Amino acid sequence: DIQMTQSPSTLSASVGDRVTITCRASQSFNKYLAWYQQKPGKAPKLLVYETSSLERGVPSRFSGSGSGTEFTLSISSLQPDDFATYYCQQYDSLWTFGQGTKVEIK
Amino acid sequence: EVQLVESGGGLVQPGGSLRVSCVASGFTFSNNWMTWVRQAPGKGLERVATIRPDGSDQYYVDSVRGRFTISRDNAKNSLYLEMNSLRVDDTAVYYCTGAVTGRVCWGQGTLVSVSS
Repeated sequence: DIQMTQSPSTLSASVGDRVTITCRASQSFNKYLAWYQQKPGKAPKLLVYETSSLERGVPSRFSGSGSGTEFTLSISSLQPDDFATYYCQQYDSLWTFGQGTKVEIK
Repeated sequence: EVQLVESGGGLVQPGGSLRVSCVASGFTFSNNWMTWVRQAPGKGLERVATIRPDGSDQYYVDSVRGRFTISRDNAKNSLYLEMNSLRVDDTAVYYCTGAVTGRVCWGQGTLVSVSS
C-alpha cells in the first residue's frame, strides 16, 4: 500500500494567515490525490480532487498542488469557518489517508 | 446528484455480527469500485474494504481480513459489509465511498458500537 505522511499534525494560525499542509507519499502515483475538511460529528467534506481540481462550491482561497510524491493544500487567507481537521487521501491504488492536520486558532 | 445512503449500524456485543448496507444513486453503480472507510472516535480515516465493479475481487485491511466481507448487488445499486467476530476496536463510523468521474463521494456514515 502507498503510505501517506501528512504534516504538520497540528497548526496554530490566525484569521487572515496563509497556511500550507503537506502530504508525502511512500511512492509516486498519478494525479488521484484528494483533500478533505472535517468538523466534529460530520462526514469529511471534499475540497480538492485530482490534486488541484476545486470541488464545486468550495471557496477559491483553497488550492491544491503537487506531483509524484509531494502534495500540498494551501489556504490563502484563513477564515473563521476554516478551523477544522484536514486529511489528504490517495485514491490511485487501494486508498490510504494521511493522519490529519488540526488547524487551531492561535 | 450522487447519493450514498448507509444503514444498519447499531450496538453489538464483542464477538457479535452486524451487516451494514449502502444504497447508491445518481451514477452507474455497476461501473465503479466501491470502498468502506471507517473512523474510530477521535481517530483518523481508514480504508476497510474495497470491491471491484463486478464483485470479482475484494481487498481488505489486515485488521479485518477473515472477519469482514464486502459484497455488492449491482441490480439493487447496493453495497454491503458483513462484520463478524466484532471487537471493541471495530467501534467506528462506517462510510460508504466511491470515486465517480474522478471525485470521491461519501455517504453520511453509520455508527457501529461494539461494547458489552
